[in-house]
Amino acid sequence: EPEVTQTPSHQVTQMGQEVILRCVPISNHLYFYWYRQILGQKVEFLVSFYNNEISEKSEIFDDQFSVERPDGSNFTLKIRSTKLEDSAMYFCASNQDPNTNYGYTFGSGTRLTVV
Amino acid sequence: AQKITQTQPGMFVQEKEAVTLDCTYDTSDQSYGLFWYKQPSSGEMIFLIYQGSYDEQNATEGRYSLNFQKARKSANLVISASQLGDSAMYFCAMRVRIRDQFYFGTGTSLTVIP
Repeated sequence: EPEVTQTPSHQVTQMGQEVILRCVPISNHLYFYWYRQILGQKVEFLVSFYNNEISEKSEIFDDQFSVERPDGSNFTLKIRSTKLEDSAMYFCASNQDPNTNYGYTFGSGTRLTVV
Repeated sequence: AQKITQTQPGMFVQEKEAVTLDCTYDTSDQSYGLFWYKQPSSGEMIFLIYQGSYDEQNATEGRYSLNFQKARKSANLVISASQLGDSAMYFCAMRVRIRDQFYFGTGTSLTVIP
């Protein structure tokens, strides 16, 4: 079964450093998303991306965050200057057609620890 | 505004028994989907079951069934014949047509006792 692949599974970074989280969505999917889950809390939407543009973003997704599809397969989330409160599990997701609820697939997540 | 409420932070169930995890939702959108995900301690989100707002039959997937009561805006997950491997966090989530994003509840931690 097709998967959304996220790397690395766990990343530790120093506060103030830039970090890039990588995702490979399912190959025929066109809509991409990032979500965040702070430890012990619910999963929260960050951003959706389609046709090389951000479609929607939450209030969490401030100027410290950016997303990019640098090539035909990767979808990245960059945090410019990490803060302790950025420590969380970050999930990438992709979908073929937002008009259907089928096929929306989450990756296994990247656990980011900011020290 | 969209909202998902899970009122059971933790649940225990005896192995081989059935358990119901509660979920209520709120939306003004007529077209929406309701999902349940399992999150084991390793952290990944595993899709379990989906119910569309226009589906008349309750969804079932193996040992999982979704008790959908539209008038009460509830979408409870029923796990039959619990197994030790069912111990995990369970999240109820909603996706509405007008917004291309998921709204998650706070989760229920399920522990299956041998």
